[in-house]
Amino acid sequence: QVQLVESGGGVVQPGRSLRLSCAASGFTFSRFAVHWVRQAPGKGLEWVALISSDGTNKYYTDSVKGRFTISRDNSKNTLYLQMNSLRTEDTAVYYCARTGEGAPDLPIDSWGQGTLVTVSS
Amino acid sequence: QSVLTQPPSVSGAPGQRVTISCTGSSSNIGAGYDVHWYQQFPGAAPKLLIYAAVNRPSGVPDRFSGSKSGTSASLAITGLQAEDEADYYCQTYDSSLGASVFGGGTQLTVL
Repeated sequence: QVQLVESGGGVVQPGRSLRLSCAASGFTFSRFAVHWVRQAPGKGLEWVALISSDGTNKYYTDSVKGRFTISRDNSKNTLYLQMNSLRTEDTAVYYCARTGEGAPDLPIDSWGQGTLVTVSS
Repeated sequence: QSVLTQPPSVSGAPGQRVTISCTGSSSNIGAGYDVHWYQQFPGAAPKLLIYAAVNRPSGVPDRFSGSKSGTSASLAITGLQAEDEADYYCQTYDSSLGASVFGGGTQLTVL
């Protein structure tokens, strides 16, 4: 079955960096686009970034542009989110989430369990 | 402030019908982009509930249904059950933002 397993979360000071990973299994990873979606404590879902199946196209929400980088290694079935210059408002559970390829409005049909990132001094 | 507006909360008694609205604009729902709904229980990841406004993934009870008109979409739950108590989110694409967007979420309480 489809599995997405995030890792790399933790407590980090403002201004520091962190890299999240998402290991995919149970499907052909290289055929699907993947999102990062986050959820601050007690808040709603917020879309963060999207990467196309081959990694050539990347999209970001405005608040993370220039600070976060989404990437993937299809040979390792792994998605990444490099987060630099972290701010307290980046504190959230980060989910990786699978979607289809070819249109920007396709649904997210599988989600990981999430990894918590806490930015605090 | 999300570009998709949902009521913060709705409630209903067991067996009743409730609806959750998702209001967008001409750059997202009104532009014809598909709307999807997700269900999330506390401490768990979201789960796809309705896709492309009206379609249910395999395993989702037919008590859940969706609709779309103009710049809005709705999720309806009939025969409300205690196990339906959760948060519900709509999602689509916004061409002005060039981004995927979620509604603010609606907390459903079964009285």
